Amino acid sequence: NAGVTQTPKFRILKIGQSMTLQCAQDMNHNYMYWYRQDPGMGLKLIYYSVGAGITDKGEVPNGYNVSRSTTEDFPLRLELAAPSQTSVYFCASSAVRSNSPLHFGNGTRLTVT
Amino acid sequence: GESVGLHLPTLSVQEGDNSIINCAYSNSASDYFIWYKQESGKGPQFIIDIRSNMDKRQGQRVTVLLNKTVKHLSLQIAATQPGDSAVYFCAESSGGGADGLTFGKGTHLIIQP
Repeated sequence: NAGVTQTPKFRILKIGQSMTLQCAQDMNHNYMYWYRQDPGMGLKLIYYSVGAGITDKGEVPNGYNVSRSTTEDFPLRLELAAPSQTSVYFCASSAVRSNSPLHFGNGTRLTVT
Repeated sequence: GESVGLHLPTLSVQEGDNSIINCAYSNSASDYFIWYKQESGKGPQFIIDIRSNMDKRQGQRVTVLLNKTVKHLSLQIAATQPGDSAVYFCAESSGGGADGLTFGKGTHLIIQP
């Protein structure tokens, strides 16, 4: 059982470039999340989705976009990469709305120079 | 907004000793708490959770204690092993919302041989 799969594992972008971080889960979870983790810090919520076709902003959404066309996939888009977006990005999913563990992928390490 | 935090950034213990990792939270509406373990290069891995109607919950070698009066959460790891070396995060949610978990900054647990 793969769980939550994130690709790529690593990426280096130049300022102003764009890219899409991929996230897929095979657990048929309705709820999916994108977090970023900066060095020595906890995870901050970027966007989340409660089901296909529905997305909402989290704590730090600026500079990012998401879509949820299927239950399985929840890609995160960076349109104009900035150095402040250098971080490790984690995707997570959950079967229920709240008060339950999130299942995390292994992250994408992004460097913007 | 409300925050979840940890008292110590690094905790060093001898192999075989018990470890206690502490966490303070400020949101009095929080009703679900969870501990994650994060090894280098990996995503957070669920350890144990507790709901606000409980003050103690035990798993295999781990115990979580919740003191709602002082808004304090702790993770006890019995007979620590080298494989317990990791960063430990507490997280909370304030029930009903689908917007995931709010994370603390993490404590790096180092196991000395």
